[in-house]
Amino acid sequence: EAGVTQSPTHLIKTRGQQATLRCSPISGHTSVYWYQQALGLGLQFLLWYDEGEERNRGNFPPRFSGRQFPNYSSELNVNALELEDSALYLCASSLQGKRNEKLFFGSGTQLSVL
Amino acid sequence: AQSVAQPEDQVNVAEGNPLTVKCTYSVSGNPYLFWYVQYPNRGLQFLLKYITGDNLVKGSYGFEAEFNKSQTSFHLKKPSALVSDSALYFCAVRDDTGGFKTIFGAGTRLFVKA
Repeated sequence: EAGVTQSPTHLIKTRGQQATLRCSPISGHTSVYWYQQALGLGLQFLLWYDEGEERNRGNFPPRFSGRQFPNYSSELNVNALELEDSALYLCASSLQGKRNEKLFFGSGTQLSVL
Repeated sequence: AQSVAQPEDQVNVAEGNPLTVKCTYSVSGNPYLFWYVQYPNRGLQFLLKYITGDNLVKGSYGFEAEFNKSQTSFHLKKPSALVSDSALYFCAVRDDTGGFKTIFGAGTRLFVKA
């Protein structure tokens, strides 16, 4: 069974550009979560999608947005890139319905903003 | 609001010695607690989760965690450390009032010396 897949693995952009990151959850998982892992800051919660809807959002500016498609895959968009957006962006998926369900993580997209 | 604290940036132990990685949490409702591990250049992997009623939880790779409600702690332990345990460890929490948002600590880097 395929795990959570993310693309691209690496992304290099310049300040002011837009970045699009993609995530495919494990088959059968309807929830997708996005996290930012910046150096020394741990994992910061960005967004949670379930059944195509945004369910919760972390403390990030509106230029961080995303969506979830009917097949439950998801896209994270970052507009007007800033240098401090450079980080590893991790996507995770889970089954829905129980609060003690574990998250399954992808290997991440390393975004570098120059 | 949920929060997680991992007070140690780094823990150093000798191979064969017991290890402890500390975690304290704050939630509004009942806690759902998890430990994840991140090996270099890889996504996070689930280690274990707290199950209501079991104060000592056993997980993957010989790890266990001790839940202490009065101290709001969920420390990760292993009786005998291996060099291969060297990695970045994250404590995470959900509560039953905050939807399915999972909040992570800043992480603790474990170094096991041969």
